Amino acid sequence: QQQVKQSPQSLIVQKGGIPIINCAYENTAFDYFPWYQQFPGKGPALLIAIRPDVSEKKEGRFTISFNKSAKQFSLHIMDSQPGDSATYFCAAAGGTGGFKTIFGAGTRLFVKA
Amino acid sequence: EPEVTQTPSHQVTQMGQEVILRCVPISNHLYFYWYRQILGQKVEFLVSFYNNEISEKSEIFDDQFSVERPDGSNFTLKIRSTKLEDSAMYFCASSDRGDNSPLHFGNGTRLTVT
Repeated sequence: QQQVKQSPQSLIVQKGGIPIINCAYENTAFDYFPWYQQFPGKGPALLIAIRPDVSEKKEGRFTISFNKSAKQFSLHIMDSQPGDSATYFCAAAGGTGGFKTIFGAGTRLFVKA
Repeated sequence: EPEVTQTPSHQVTQMGQEVILRCVPISNHLYFYWYRQILGQKVEFLVSFYNNEISEKSEIFDDQFSVERPDGSNFTLKIRSTKLEDSAMYFCASSDRGDNSPLHFGNGTRLTVT
């Protein structure tokens, strides 16, 4: 029940394409859903986050779509650039009382120039 | 922008030895965490720490692991007797609130157990 399932494992798109990464969760107590971006040799860094009371959030070229009834959420990257090539992790937190964030398995994105 | 700093960046140790990984969280943050990542794969929760005590720990965080905030700035992870399978990237993180707040990660310590 604590798992967050993420797909695909890897993704290759052309510059300007719109990669979409999907995640699903089981624990309905989760109430905070962040996405983290990780470059090689660095720690994950918060990209964008959403709470379950909204269905969509946009920040620049990054959009989260959230479907509470299906317990799914996804990240869309508009007009993707080679600099977006990184590993993306969805995550979920809240409801455990112990301040634990559960991460998905990650998606390696490569944007071709 | 304030950041989480971790030392050392790379630690090599022999199986059975004790290691201490060090972290300096962001100064006004109250919640501290250790995560582990093996070979660029999943980021796994180890432990959360608040108000000078462990808030939650995972199954990975067994009796060989301990955490400490020895002073007002440092947060450490100790592995008492390292095993080969402890080889991983260890990330420290901090947040200003508990649930529902972003984690700020350091750049990690790569631990290699030989």
